[in-house]
Amino acid sequence: KAGVTQTPRYLIKTRGQQVTLSCSPISGHRSVSWYQQTPGQGLQFLFEYFSETQRNKGNFPGRFSGRQFSNSRSEMNVSTLELGDSALYLCASSLGDLSYGYTFGSGTRLTVV
Amino acid sequence: AQSVTQLDSQVPVFEEAPVELRCNYSSSVSVYLFWYVQYPNQGLQLLLKYLSGSTLVKGINGFEAEFNKSQTSFHLRKPSVHISDTAEYFCARGSGGGNKLTFGTGTQLKVEL
Repeated sequence: KAGVTQTPRYLIKTRGQQVTLSCSPISGHRSVSWYQQTPGQGLQFLFEYFSETQRNKGNFPGRFSGRQFSNSRSEMNVSTLELGDSALYLCASSLGDLSYGYTFGSGTRLTVV
Repeated sequence: AQSVTQLDSQVPVFEEAPVELRCNYSSSVSVYLFWYVQYPNQGLQLLLKYLSGSTLVKGINGFEAEFNKSQTSFHLRKPSVHISDTAEYFCARGSGGGNKLTFGTGTQLKVEL
């Protein structure tokens, strides 16, 4: 059974650009969540999607957005990149809610220069 | 605000010795608790979870944790560690009103020969 796949694994962008990250959940999982991991702030929740609807949102500026497609694949977009957006972005999928636990992908390492 | 506190940022231990990684959570009527492990340049792997019922939870790789409601703790233990257990360990809780995980700041476990 394939795990959660995140692409690309590594990305370097220039300040002011925008970026799109992709996440393919485990087959059959309908919930996809995104987390940002930085040395200073640790792991922080960005948003969660279930059946193409945003179900929960963290405390991030509007430059961070996401969506989920009918096949449960999800993308997150960051516009007008800032140096502080450099982080490991982790995607996690679940059958439905926390009681099932989340399976995380290996992440996308974004570096903003 | 719902929070998770990991009391130790680093825990050095010799191989085959027992280890305990401490985690405290802010009190709540009901709570889901999790322990995840992160190896370098990888995502998070679920070790174990507490949803309800028995307070002693057994996980993968010989780890276990005990839910203590009176002390609002969920400490992770392993009776005999191996070099391969060297990694960062995160305690997390499920937050009400959605499928959001709130993480502690992590504990770096370093197993030495």
